[in-house]
Amino acid sequence: SQTIHQWPATLVQPVGSPLSLECTVEGTSNPNLYWYRQAAGRGLQLLFYSVGIGQISSEVPQNLSASRPQDRQFILSSKKLLLSDSGFYLCAWSEVGLAAETQYFGPGTRLLVL
Amino acid sequence: TQLLEQSPQFLSIQEGENLTVYCNSSSVFSSLQWYRQEPGEGPVLLVTVVTGGEVKKLKRLTFQFGDARKDSSLHITAAQPGDTGLYLCAGARVSNYQLIWGAGTKLIIKP
Repeated sequence: SQTIHQWPATLVQPVGSPLSLECTVEGTSNPNLYWYRQAAGRGLQLLFYSVGIGQISSEVPQNLSASRPQDRQFILSSKKLLLSDSGFYLCAWSEVGLAAETQYFGPGTRLLVL
Repeated sequence: TQLLEQSPQFLSIQEGENLTVYCNSSSVFSSLQWYRQEPGEGPVLLVTVVTGGEVKKLKRLTFQFGDARKDSSLHITAAQPGDTGLYLCAGARVSNYQLIWGAGTKLIIKP
């Protein structure tokens, strides 16, 4: 069966510090991968998605970036965090070859920028 | 920008009552999914509806996809405190890797 991992679960960072959130998927090959941000109790904002190694599409201009160095690894980064980067970050995967069908989510990372 | 409007945004009812959550769009979707999310966790898929007019039941939850595949509803019968959570709908389009997400319905069931 497939599993998706995210870490860390919680992160408190000062403004201006760098960020690296990691997501890995097990049990599938060449998945589509997604990074979302969610405000408390609200819907999901798509940040990045990837359909293959090194292929990243950005949905929202911001000081965040994403990379996919390996097939099942997706990293969300920032060189300098802003207060507005605080939120709940979710990684998700879906089957390769399909349109945006079912997405399976990781447990999320709660980021607080102070 | 394609929108999927979800309503109500917030609902607080007593245990045993019925409720319906709606997702509406002016665009056609190839499928529509409903997720449930608990605080501090990722969303978990409840159901996917694909065919116009399709009705799916999951215990006390009934999901319906509109005939034109532009809207969907989630009906909960005899709500229980365990149904409390954030319910999200998401629409899929053919040949597109993105889901269009509703803003979510925060549901609280009071014992």
